[in-house]
Amino acid sequence: DAGVTQSPTHLIKTRGQQVTLRCSPKSGHDTVSWYQQALGQGPQFIFQYYEEEERQRGNFPDRFSGHQFPNYSSELNVNALLLGDSALYLCASSLGLAGGAHEQYFGPGTRLTVT
Amino acid sequence: GNSVTQMEGPVTLSEEAFLTINCTYTATGYPSLFWYVQYPGEGLQLLLKATKADDKGSNKGFEATYRKETTSFHLEKGSVQVSDSAVYFCALSRGSNTGKLIFGQGTTLQVKP
Repeated sequence: DAGVTQSPTHLIKTRGQQVTLRCSPKSGHDTVSWYQQALGQGPQFIFQYYEEEERQRGNFPDRFSGHQFPNYSSELNVNALLLGDSALYLCASSLGLAGGAHEQYFGPGTRLTVT
Repeated sequence: GNSVTQMEGPVTLSEEAFLTINCTYTATGYPSLFWYVQYPGEGLQLLLKATKADDKGSNKGFEATYRKETTSFHLEKGSVQVSDSAVYFCALSRGSNTGKLIFGQGTTLQVKP
C-alpha cells in the first residue's frame, strides 16, 4: 500500500523564479493538504484540495497556488520566490472532507532552498 | 485565534526515564487534539489523538489526556527508549469539516543510552 509520495526530494531555486512541487496521495485518499514547515518550526497550513477545488486556504499570499488532478494527485506552485520561502513543504492526504483532519497521512516533504 | 504552545526543547533524557512534553492550546469551542512525531528525514506520523474533553489518546506507550479545564494535552511516556528520539508536535483542528491542522512549534526529544 503506497503511502504519500512527493517529488522532488530537494530543490534549489533562485529568488524570483517559479517552482512546482508534486504530491501523490495515499491509495484510496481523495483530499490533499499542503503545509510549509520552516526550519525549527511547526508546519503551517497553506491550502486543501478536494474534488479538484481549493476548499480551504491558510494565510499565504496569492503567489502560492495549487491544483488537483482527476487522479487526486496535486501540485503546489510558488511564483516570484523569496528567500523566506525556503522551507520543507509537506503534503498530507486524507479521505473526504468530513473528519479529514483526523486521519491525515503526511509525505516525507520537499526541501526547497531559495538563494 | 486558534493556537498551540509547546514546551521548548530540546529535551534530553536517559533511556527508561519518564517523559512529559507540555502542550496547551487556545481555541473556541471543542477542538480535536493530536500528537504527531517526526523522525529525522521523514514526514509527520500521527502518534495519538483525542476528540473530546477527558478523552485519553494512547499509542506505543505514549498517552495524552484532553483537559478542557486547563486547555492542555500533555504527552507522557513511562519509559523512553533511544528509538523515541524525534521531534514531537502538538496540533489541533477545529470543526468536523476541516483539513486544517494548527501545529505547535515542536519539541525535540533526545534519548541517550
